[in-house]
This record gives sequence, structure tokens and C-alpha cells, in this order.
Amino acid sequence: DVKVTQSSRYLVKRTGEKVFLECVQDMDHENMFWYRQDPGLGLRLIYFSYDVKMKEKGDIPEGYSVSREKKERFSLILESASTNQTSMYLCASSLSGQQQETQYFGPGTRLLVL
Amino acid sequence: DAKTTQPPSMDCAEGRAANLPCNHSTISGNEYVYWYRQIHSQGPQYIIHGLKNNETNEMASLIITEDRKSSTLILPHATLRDTAVYYCIVRAFNAGNMLTFGGGTRLMVKP
Repeated sequence: DVKVTQSSRYLVKRTGEKVFLECVQDMDHENMFWYRQDPGLGLRLIYFSYDVKMKEKGDIPEGYSVSREKKERFSLILESASTNQTSMYLCASSLSGQQQETQYFGPGTRLLVL
Repeated sequence: DAKTTQPPSMDCAEGRAANLPCNHSTISGNEYVYWYRQIHSQGPQYIIHGLKNNETNEMASLIITEDRKSSTLILPHATLRDTAVYYCIVRAFNAGNMLTFGGGTRLMVKP
């Protein structure tokens, strides 16, 4: 079974703090993704990575950065957290070169920025 | 990716089959039908996908109409743990690597 884990289920931070969200997958997947999910807005892609040290912007990259130093780990960084970044953050991974490109998700991190 | 239409909510009795419909009338020939579900406060979970043939796995069955304009996800014996929001997505291979979830169907399995 594919396993995608995220470092925290719940996180509370203050405005202006630097926040690290970590994601690890154990299935040797090339592709990894960070989404945020908000009521009424659905799932929105922040960044994705298709290889180590490679990254691509998604729909809403502003205020975020990412790091992929190892294949199994994809980190999302909020350089200076703001209240509008309060959200559910979801990491996903998928195998490259597969026609169907099924994405497997982690359990999510619910971030509250005060 | 083609747009999908799902009913916002459905109820199902425990132990009975849950049939969740999805309309995707603008689906293209190279687009697959995917189903995911999301249990409250958890990440989305992949269920099943198909192109034009019916598919079955340990979780569910997927029935796609011959014209591919609609599909039905079938949970053969729904349990309380199947209560979740179910998302139907159509997407092509190499569709920018992004998944887009619409509103989904909130399935409530009742004892």
C-alpha cells in the first residue's frame, strides 16, 4: 500500500512565523504535490515536483515555497505565515510515466494562523 | 479537464448498495473517470478509475455508460465507515499533473 505521511495533523502558528510542513512517501514516487483545501473553493494546487530538486508552481504559489532534497520528501514552507493561510494542507504523490497517474494523499495538516 | 456534475448529498442504509451517479457529458476520448472520497478531516482516498470499460476492485465498482457521458460508483455493501464526500473527476493523461475536485456527493450511511 502506498503510504503518504505528513508531519503534523494539527498546527497552530502566529502571524509572521515561518512554518514548515513535511511530507514523506514510501513508494518511490517521482511526483509529489502540495494542495490546500478550503470550504467552497475545493482543492487548489500550490506547488508540485516531478523530481528531486525540481519544482513547478501550481495555481496559488504566492506566499509559499517548497523543497525537494530527497525523492521521498517534499516540504512546504510558509515564509511568513498570514491568517489567510489558515487551511487544510494536503500532500500527494504519484508514479511518473503511468497513464492514469493516480495520486495518493496524506492525512492532511490543519493549520491555524492566529 | 471536463466538468462533472454530482448530486450534493445522498443517504444509504447500512448493508445496502450505494449508487453514486456522475454526469460528465463533455468528456473527451482520452479522459479517464476517477473517483476519490474524503472522510471528514482526512486526506482524499483514491477509490477507482476507468476509461470506458466497467471496473471493479476491492472497494467499489465503476459503471461507465457506453457513450461515456455518465458513470456510477457502486459500493456494494455500504458501512457506516463509508460515510464521506465522494468526488468524481475526469482527467486526461498528463493533464498538468493537477487534480481538481468539484463539490462532490456527501454520502451518509445510516444504521
